[in-house]
Amino acid sequence: EVQLVESGGGLVQPGGSLRLSCAASGFSFSSHWMHWVRQAPGKGLVWVSRIHRDGSSSTYADSVKGRFTISRDNAKNTVYLQMNSLRAEDTAVYYCAREQLLSGNYGMDVWGQGTTVTVSS
Amino acid sequence: EIVLTQSPGTLSLSPGERATLTCRATESVSSSYLAWYQQKPGQAPRLLIYGASGRATGIPDRFSGSVSGPDFILTISRLEPEDFAVYYCQQYGSSQFTFGPGTKVDIK
Repeated sequence: EVQLVESGGGLVQPGGSLRLSCAASGFSFSSHWMHWVRQAPGKGLVWVSRIHRDGSSSTYADSVKGRFTISRDNAKNTVYLQMNSLRAEDTAVYYCAREQLLSGNYGMDVWGQGTTVTVSS
Repeated sequence: EIVLTQSPGTLSLSPGERATLTCRATESVSSSYLAWYQQKPGQAPRLLIYGASGRATGIPDRFSGSVSGPDFILTISRLEPEDFAVYYCQQYGSSQFTFGPGTKVDIK
C-alpha cells in the first residue's frame, strides 16, 4: 500500500524548533519530488516546501524561507522538515505529499494524514 | 507570486445537481501546471484533476476539469452525497506552488 506517515508534531514555544518526519512506503520514494503543505486551523492549504528526488535542490514559500529546511534520506524513505524560529502563525497541520511522476505535471497525488504543530507559550 | 482566486466561496446545491467551480490566476498559468483537490473535514486533501483536465487515478468520471479563457473550471456533473467538501485549485510557477482559497460545496 502506498503510504506517507508524518510524525514529530507537538507543542513548542515561540522561537523554538521542531523536526517533522514523513516516512514513505509502498512506492519508489527516490523517484518522486516531495512536498510539505500546511493548513492552519479552519484555513486553507498553504504550500511550504519542495525537494528534488535526490535532495540536491529545494524551494520554499517566502513565509518560511530562512527558517525551515527540507531534507530527505532516500535510504530511509523519509523526508524531513526542520523548523526553526517558530512563530504563532506557523501553527498548523503539516502534511507531506508526493508529487506525481508524470513529466510536466505538478499535482500531489499521495498525502499523509498530517501532524499538528502548535506554537504557543 | 501567482495568486489564485476561486469562486464562488460557497456553493449550496442538492444531491444530483451540477456544480461548477472556477479558479483564476493573477498571471498566466500553463494548463499543465493546474490541479484540483478535494478535502473533507478531518481528512487530507485528495488529488482530483491534474494538468487542468486529467483525472487522477480512481476519480469518478463525474469530475471533470476544463479551461475557458483565463478560467480553470472544475465540474461535478451530478453531486453525490460524498462530494460535499472543500475544493482547492493549485498551480506551479516560478519554482513556487500556490493554492487557491477554496470553494466549499455544501448541501442546500
